[in-house]
Amino acid sequence: DTAVSQTPKYLVTQMGNDKSIKCEQNLGHDTMYWYKQDSKKFLKIMFSYNNKELIINETVPNRFSPKSPDKAHLNLHINSLELGDSAVYFCASSSRQGRYGYTFGSGTRLTVV
Amino acid sequence: EDQVTQSPEALRLQEGESSSLNCSYTVSGLRGLFWYRQDPGKGPEFLFTLYSAGEEKEKERLKATLTKKESFLHITAPKPEDSATYLCAVQHLTGNQFYFGTGTSLTVIP
Repeated sequence: DTAVSQTPKYLVTQMGNDKSIKCEQNLGHDTMYWYKQDSKKFLKIMFSYNNKELIINETVPNRFSPKSPDKAHLNLHINSLELGDSAVYFCASSSRQGRYGYTFGSGTRLTVV
Repeated sequence: EDQVTQSPEALRLQEGESSSLNCSYTVSGLRGLFWYRQDPGKGPEFLFTLYSAGEEKEKERLKATLTKKESFLHITAPKPEDSATYLCAVQHLTGNQFYFGTGTSLTVIP
């Protein structure tokens, strides 16, 4: 049983397209996150939701919009994709504000051509 | 400004050759320091959380320590399966912010 699952694993798309990445966790955690990992392996938080409420919204272009239909799901929609959006996007979840660490998904490698 | 710096960027060890990875941090209020392991093509995997200076945690060949300015991940007699990128992250006192370092890529040669 996968604890945090993301789909798709790979996504190749053209500039200007709109795409979505889905994330689901079956751990009963109350907080979910989206992180972006660049080519230098640097992980930067984008968004965090606690019980469907947005609690962290870093400086991210408006083209990125998270949606949390319930506390087990956090999807990421990206409009008008740009070359610079190419990266690996990780979903993660935690309980108690991450006091016991995050559980990460396996990542979605997005390539914009 | 809150930040996390890891060194070295890359480390090659012979099997059995012990060493340490460093994570230096500056944060206005530390709630916890976390170590993760990341294998190629996978998400980071949680290893340890340290909450206060002087605290130590161990897991198999890994031992993490914490001071007020840095943390060390000591690897004793490493094996090839310990090869991975090791990431350090600090959690701000408010609990809402995590800052990750850029990691140390460890290669253990048989």
